[in-house]
Amino acid sequence: ETGVTQTPRHLVMGMTNKKSLKCEQHLGHNAMYWYKQSAKKPLELMFVYNFKEQTENNSVPSRFSPECPNSSHLFLHLHTLQPEDSALYLCASSQEPYREETQYFGPGTRLLVL
Amino acid sequence: GENVEQHPSTLSVQEGDSAVIKCTYSDSASNYFPWYKQELGKRPQLIIDIRSNVGEKKDQRIAVTLNKTAKHFSLHITETQPEDSAVYFCAASRSGGATNKLIFGTGTLLAVQP
Repeated sequence: ETGVTQTPRHLVMGMTNKKSLKCEQHLGHNAMYWYKQSAKKPLELMFVYNFKEQTENNSVPSRFSPECPNSSHLFLHLHTLQPEDSALYLCASSQEPYREETQYFGPGTRLLVL
Repeated sequence: GENVEQHPSTLSVQEGDSAVIKCTYSDSASNYFPWYKQELGKRPQLIIDIRSNVGEKKDQRIAVTLNKTAKHFSLHITETQPEDSAVYFCAASRSGGATNKLIFGTGTLLAVQP
């Protein structure tokens, strides 16, 4: 499965560290998404990018900073995170942002904040 | 905003039995209802979806039903097999906005006992 890739797959960081998560989609899609998946909680939408423009910020704390340099790449920059930010971070993409469309997920980055 | 509730949170069945997972949604304007399957350590993958202009859709052993009046939809898996064991997520969204914003349920852990 190489449609949507994410790196790194696992990340351990201290609360004072700065790190970045990377997502790349090879499907020619125009919309990309960041989700947070925590145990026993629904998948939480964090950010949406349509044609490189951010169209949704779901009240995400500023310690998470997304970047979308082009429609194939999406980053999530992390700084001064808290232990409760430990979770699986999933990237997804879809063909068009305005219609009900299948979203294709990446394998996720398992993040542990110490 | 939209809220999606999913039940049960865990479901254990014997191989060959049927499994049913139910979801309710709050936004009557929702018109797209996908189901995702997430195997342990893997990414969520779409298994079936239904749009509001149909009441039922089948794909081999999997079916989804939608009751718009009651605002609920269900996933039915017949003749379950051990490889059906996974976490299943329902979701709801509506088109016409600026983004394809999926609201997910909390997930159902399905265990198929051989």
